Amino acid sequence: ETGVTQSPTHLIKTRGQQVTLRCSSQSGHNTVSWYQQALGQGPQFIFQYYREEENGRGNFPPRFSGLQFPNYSSELNVNALELDDSALYLCASSLVSGGARRELFFGEGSRLTVL
Amino acid sequence: DAKTTQPNSMESNEEEPVHLPCNHSTISGTDYIHWYRQLPSQGPEYVIHGLTSNVNNRMASLAIAEDRKSSTLILHRATLRDAAVYYCILQGAAGNNRKLIWGLGTSLAVNP
Repeated sequence: ETGVTQSPTHLIKTRGQQVTLRCSSQSGHNTVSWYQQALGQGPQFIFQYYREEENGRGNFPPRFSGLQFPNYSSELNVNALELDDSALYLCASSLVSGGARRELFFGEGSRLTVL
Repeated sequence: DAKTTQPNSMESNEEEPVHLPCNHSTISGTDYIHWYRQLPSQGPEYVIHGLTSNVNNRMASLAIAEDRKSSTLILHRATLRDAAVYYCILQGAAGNNRKLIWGLGTSLAVNP
């Protein structure tokens, strides 16, 4: 039990729609990152939030946006959905303190299908 | 971004040791080496990480080459539950370099 929960677990949208995915971080963690994992591929980094501010972003367009709330839960929003956005979206939380490298704790993911 | 290279797949027998190699010839001095694994239909799971010295924990051991251009994840006694995709990843020092760049990983099959 990692303590990171994501919702919904599965959803189906159509091209052009918008989607919001939610993540509840493990207790005590102050950092959350989001990843996109296409079938048969490794996870691709989307962005990371630390204390409610984005502090790192991968090669994803601006229609991918996020929020981190004071309780360290998080949202991933994707606008104008495209067929290629179909993937497993993973949320990971960690406790960042100083320069220490801490492990990431992942949720089970949200499987998005865009038709 | 520093990249890693791993074999696409490996096979092992139950209760035998498994050595999973990873090459990272462009690693920088402050990059940490992380290993995660992903069981079917699950999110990735942390295995181990290190900087320069070999590391041991309850799950595995990490052997890092002296020049840090390669590393090996060692599972001392493979079980059927260890069948997963194993990812070797580098993590940089700060800001955007903290992001983890994942490759395709090594798919480990464990035979009973």
